[in-house]
Amino acid sequence: EVQLLESGGGLVQPGGSLRLSCAASGFTFSSYAMSWVRQAPGKGLEWVSAISGSGGSTYYADSVKGRFTISRDNSKNTLYLQMNSLRAEDTAVYYCAKNSGYYYDSSGGIFDYWGQGTLVTVSS
Amino acid sequence: QSVLTQPPSVSAAPGQKVTISCSGSSSNIGNNYVSWYQQLPGTAPKLLIYDNNKRPSGIPDRFSGSKSGTSATLGITGLQTGDEADYYCGTWDSSLSANWVFGGGTKLTVL
Repeated sequence: EVQLLESGGGLVQPGGSLRLSCAASGFTFSSYAMSWVRQAPGKGLEWVSAISGSGGSTYYADSVKGRFTISRDNSKNTLYLQMNSLRAEDTAVYYCAKNSGYYYDSSGGIFDYWGQGTLVTVSS
Repeated sequence: QSVLTQPPSVSAAPGQKVTISCSGSSSNIGNNYVSWYQQLPGTAPKLLIYDNNKRPSGIPDRFSGSKSGTSATLGITGLQTGDEADYYCGTWDSSLSANWVFGGGTKLTVL
């Protein structure tokens, strides 16, 4: 059974940093791209970032480019999202999602499993 | 403003059928597969339909998907109160650096 368990969310001041983690199990972690998708309170889904199975390719939404860094440790089956220079508009539930392919592309980009999410609140 | 356009809400009675539309353009729906996600209240999204019309294992055949041109449609038959949820369409967009786009979501109410 595929399981994705996020952690690391919390309250942080504007301009601060936070690192999210996602522990994966139930599948061969290194064989799949992984993504972060967020949902602001009462709003829709927004794709944030993705990383290929090897970790060699990374992708970011324009809204977070230069501030967020996605990474993975395939030896620990764990996905990360380092968030710096946080803004109020980054407040959201952050979901870790498994992609359907090794590469994050038009065929492998489907989000076939999701974690339960972790809440990030950016406020003073 | 989402790249993909969905109606904010739809409603129907138990046992009835409902459709949810998702409108895009040639850079997204027109040239890529569409997937649909169901988000029950207070829970994470779940993949409902992929590659326009395929259902993952465990998804009942009451749920169906179709695509025509730059629009896609999710259909749900035999509505149940447990189907009350937000539904999102999503697809790859070749014109954006972000690449993956979602619709704004549609809240389904089963009256």
